[in-house]
Amino acid sequence: DGGITQSPKYLFRKEGQNVTLSCEQNLNHDAMYWYRQDPGQGLRLIYYSQIVNDFQKGDIAEGYSVSREKKESFPLTVTSAQKNPTAFYLCASKPSGRANTGELFFGEGSRLTVL
Amino acid sequence: AQSVTQLDSQVPVFEEAPVELRCNYSSSVSVYLFWYVQYPNQGLQLLLKYLSGSTLVKGINGFEAEFNKSQTSFHLRKPSVHISDTAEYFCAVTTGTASKLTFGTGTRLQVTL
Repeated sequence: DGGITQSPKYLFRKEGQNVTLSCEQNLNHDAMYWYRQDPGQGLRLIYYSQIVNDFQKGDIAEGYSVSREKKESFPLTVTSAQKNPTAFYLCASKPSGRANTGELFFGEGSRLTVL
Repeated sequence: AQSVTQLDSQVPVFEEAPVELRCNYSSSVSVYLFWYVQYPNQGLQLLLKYLSGSTLVKGINGFEAEFNKSQTSFHLRKPSVHISDTAEYFCAVTTGTASKLTFGTGTRLQVTL
């Protein structure tokens, strides 16, 4: 079945450590997105990529980094510079061209807790 | 720039009662509108979307929404809710297929017996 796979589902990190969240999709979508979700704040866009080897900052990119070396993969690194990294992270994708209706397709999320 | 306001952070309702979750948007151009549902510790699943055409949109699980351009609203309704509808619901807007999707802060629907 086609879909978006995020791993790990749960992750614990000590302060000062970098951590990388994985996002893989087999939907053949061109665009991929990372959102952060905090209680009562909805979803906030961290980074997005519309094509391989290109990505743009979203609304809250500070303390995060991404890469897009392959169409299927869009990993997110939460660096030690991120002041409050404990959150639920969601990866999403959408197709381009005629199949693009603006709808995003989401993974199951990764919950990061900093101890 | 577009924005979305979900007026209620929590909506408690008894099983089999009707429910309406409110969503208002702000945009200077034409919009595409979406409702997503999120169950605990899961990703978001699309309930329904308005792109064009009929202003009454039907989605999965018996939900429907009505696009009202004059009131800039896209309220979600269900005539009779079930315990399994307990979840977080997000309204989202974009001004085009190439634009980013902007989400509201969510409404927690709590269905009780």
